[in-house]
Amino acid sequence: QKEVEQNSGPLSVPEGAIASLNCTYSDRGSQSFFWYRQYSGKSPELIMFIYSNGDKEDGRFTAQLNKASQYVSLLIRDSQPSDSATYLCAASSGGGADGLTFGKGTHLIIQP
Amino acid sequence: DAGITQSPRHKVTETGTPVTLRCHQTENHRYMYWYRQDPGHGLRLIHYSYGVKDTDKGEVSDGYSVSRSKTEDFLLTLESATSSQTSVYFCAISEDSPGYTFGSGTRLTVV
Repeated sequence: QKEVEQNSGPLSVPEGAIASLNCTYSDRGSQSFFWYRQYSGKSPELIMFIYSNGDKEDGRFTAQLNKASQYVSLLIRDSQPSDSATYLCAASSGGGADGLTFGKGTHLIIQP
Repeated sequence: DAGITQSPRHKVTETGTPVTLRCHQTENHRYMYWYRQDPGHGLRLIHYSYGVKDTDKGEVSDGYSVSRSKTEDFLLTLESATSSQTSVYFCAISEDSPGYTFGSGTRLTVV
C-alpha cells in the first residue's frame, strides 16, 4: 500500500526564520511530488511540485527531492504569520489518473 | 482558475438515508476525484473518474458509489449513510498543469 508519512506537529517557528517540513514515501514508483497548504476550514492549495532529484525554488519556497532516500522536503524562508497552516505532502506514481496519495499533514505555526 | 463547485456546502442527514454530493466543473477536464478528509487520517481517495461513465475505486470506496454521465458533473452517493461517513468531502480536478485543484468542500454530518 502506498504511504506518505509526515510529522503531524505542531511545528513552531519564529517569524523570519526558515521552516523545514519533511515527508517520506513508501512507493518507489512515485514520480511526482506535491506540497499543498491548507488553512483551517479551507480546501488544499497547491504551492509546489517537484519531479526531479534536487532542489526547486519558487519565491520563499524550496522543494527538495531525494528519490534514493524516498524523501521530500519543503523549506519556507523568511516565515510569516500568514504561513501558519497545515502542509500536506502528496505523491503520484503516474500521470495522476489514479489519484494522489497524501500524508496526514504537518501543522505549522509561525510565532510573531 | 479552474471553475469547480461543490454542493451542498453543508449537510446534516440521518443514519440510513441516501445522500448525494455534487461536483461541477466548467472547463471540460477529463479527470475528477472524490476525497474525504478526517482528523488523523488526512485526505483519502474514495473514487475517481477518467471520463464520462469511466470510474474506478480508490482507497476507501466501501459504502460509496459515483456516477459521471456528463463531463462536467461527478456525483458521489452514500447509499445508506452511517456515522463513520461524517467527514469533509473534497472534489478535485486534474488540469493541464501539475497537481490537482480542489473544490471548497462539503461538510457532511450523519446523526
